Amino acid sequence: EVQVVESGGGLVQPGGSLRLSCAASGFTFSSYEMNWVRQAPGKGLEWVAYISSSGSTISYADSVKGRFTISRDNAKNSLYLQMNSLRAEDTAVYYCARGRTGDVWGQGTTVTVSS
Amino acid sequence: DIQMTQSPSSLSASVGDRVTITCRASQSISSYLNWYHQKPGKAPRLLIYGASSLQSGVPSRFSGSGSGTDFTLTISSLQPEDFATYYCQQSYSTMWTFGQGTKVEI
Repeated sequence: EVQVVESGGGLVQPGGSLRLSCAASGFTFSSYEMNWVRQAPGKGLEWVAYISSSGSTISYADSVKGRFTISRDNAKNSLYLQMNSLRAEDTAVYYCARGRTGDVWGQGTTVTVSS
Repeated sequence: DIQMTQSPSSLSASVGDRVTITCRASQSISSYLNWYHQKPGKAPRLLIYGASSLQSGVPSRFSGSGSGTDFTLTISSLQPEDFATYYCQQSYSTMWTFGQGTKVEI
């Protein structure tokens, strides 16, 4: 079965750090671009970051640039999002999504930034 | 950045109705336009990619059209399971942008 599963969310204080993971299975992970997308409570979808299949090309939303780092380990079929200097406005469900069309999404992992 | 504008932001419809949602891009995105729906507490699900291609497993009552800057999602006969929020999204750029969403309610 083709799937991606996010993990690593939790409660963190403002200014803190968190590392999210996305484990892929059922497909050739190294052949696909990947994205992180988030959704704040009661809000719409917001794209966060993109990484090419090899990891050589990376893009970030302006709202997270300089604070978040996307990476991948194709040998481990895993995608990561390192989140530093977290703010209250980063509170959201974070999803990983496969490819340019987003044809496969995980169930999401919840990040809450609060003191 | 490419801005995506959806309309309407919400609509009320009945089972069996034909429903149309529109999406406009701030610049030409060719056919790099995808449609998703999302139910509360669930992940988005891809319905249409490349503006008009039906994703595998998606019922044929869903269809998409358009190119350039103007796009449409049509549900030919609304079913109870279709009550959800719908989003358009451009993948012309690696920096995706989404429309603000259209909530389809009974």
